[in-house]
Amino acid sequence: AQKVTQAQTEISVVEKEDVTLDCVYETRDTTYYLFWYKQPPSGELVFLIRRNSFDEQNEISGRYSWNFQKSTSSFNFTITASQVVDSAVYFCALYNIGDDKIIFGKGTRLHILP
Amino acid sequence: GAVVSQHPSWVICKSGTSVKIECRSLDFQATTMFWYRQFPKQSLMLMATSNEGSKATYEQGVEKDKFLINHASLTLSTLTVTSAHPEDSSFYICSAPALDRGVNTFGSGTRLTVV
Repeated sequence: AQKVTQAQTEISVVEKEDVTLDCVYETRDTTYYLFWYKQPPSGELVFLIRRNSFDEQNEISGRYSWNFQKSTSSFNFTITASQVVDSAVYFCALYNIGDDKIIFGKGTRLHILP
Repeated sequence: GAVVSQHPSWVICKSGTSVKIECRSLDFQATTMFWYRQFPKQSLMLMATSNEGSKATYEQGVEKDKFLINHASLTLSTLTVTSAHPEDSSFYICSAPALDRGVNTFGSGTRLTVV
């Protein structure tokens, strides 16, 4: 079965704290892509990162970093020194080449408190 | 980069009327377009996949007679919500795969309110 699990429904942290959003996936395929998207209140999906299944290198982009662990089927997202503007819903997603469609997790609503 | 333009961004319609939502790929050809629906505080659920020149594929539980999808060209896919009812009020978003450019591209979404 193809599935994405974001166990954290809602997280609140105080500004400047670090926060990690968890993502666990299931797939039969050996070739797949993983994504993180940010959805602010406006609704538009903002692409953050794509990772293919053969690239387990962790990535850092400014205050954002991603930890891809194939052994545990996880693709966690960390925001360091969080800011109020980071408040949004974050979706982890899986794209299977065989299915040709993206499956989304249920999302984690992140509140950054001033 | 790859851009998908979605219109309208929001629409309010009366119960029983039909609403058409358009998604255009602006700088690439989209042979496939995915249509998602998102209810408040929920995830995006795939409704259907449209393919240029052929019939759309609907996910289980999605009424194909209610949600008409047309993919008439390589740059345009439309979703028509027919005989809309208040329970169809939702956020609809389209997406075209452009993985050769590194990302699956989403439209900006359409917020439909049926009154």
